[in-house]
Amino acid sequence: KNEVEQSPQNLTAQEGEFITINCSYSVGISALHWLQQHPGGGIVSLFMLSSGKKKHGRLIATINIQEKHSSLHITASHPRDSAVYICAVRVGNQFYFGTGTSLTVIP
Amino acid sequence: EAGVAQSPRYKIIEKRQSVAFWCNPISGHATLYWYQQILGQGPKLLIQFQNNGVVDDSQLPKDRFSAERLKGVDSTLKIQPAKLEDSAVYLCASSLAGQGVAFFGQGTRLTVV
Repeated sequence: KNEVEQSPQNLTAQEGEFITINCSYSVGISALHWLQQHPGGGIVSLFMLSSGKKKHGRLIATINIQEKHSSLHITASHPRDSAVYICAVRVGNQFYFGTGTSLTVIP
Repeated sequence: EAGVAQSPRYKIIEKRQSVAFWCNPISGHATLYWYQQILGQGPKLLIQFQNNGVVDDSQLPKDRFSAERLKGVDSTLKIQPAKLEDSAVYLCASSLAGQGVAFFGQGTRLTVV
């Protein structure tokens, strides 16, 4: 069993739709990261969370430490949001990664 | 500030050949990670350095993979000899010791044919 589970694995949405990607983890964590990976590109860190909620533009990330669950929301999705979104948790100085959610936003 | 630099960006080799990847972390970052990301999967940690010492190399296939960070700054990852299943993106990341934000390089996409 993976320490970090993401759902869904693949997601196709129409431009403008509200998108939610979920992440559940089974270990005690210091922090949780949401990462974005574009095809052929490197990884960009979107958020680092240890509690509550963070917002950056159209992106919102929430975490519930008691339930060991986090969500990444994208409001008014756009084709340029098409990417793989990866949830990663930090345990001490080590990271555990989910397998990613591949998002395609259709114009 | 300059990010994590990796080279080359792409490499194609035949199986049984050798290959080396280079990573220059962000200045001052003591912790350096090498990850292997196979298509469709999340990154898998290969090795973690703290300065020039190895913290975790439990998932590094030591019969063919090696990594070093001799001066505690840049690092090289070598595969010798390569197998077809080594085709993947090799990501380098760095972070300040004890802090959670890791910065990733663009990765090296290796194709073994």
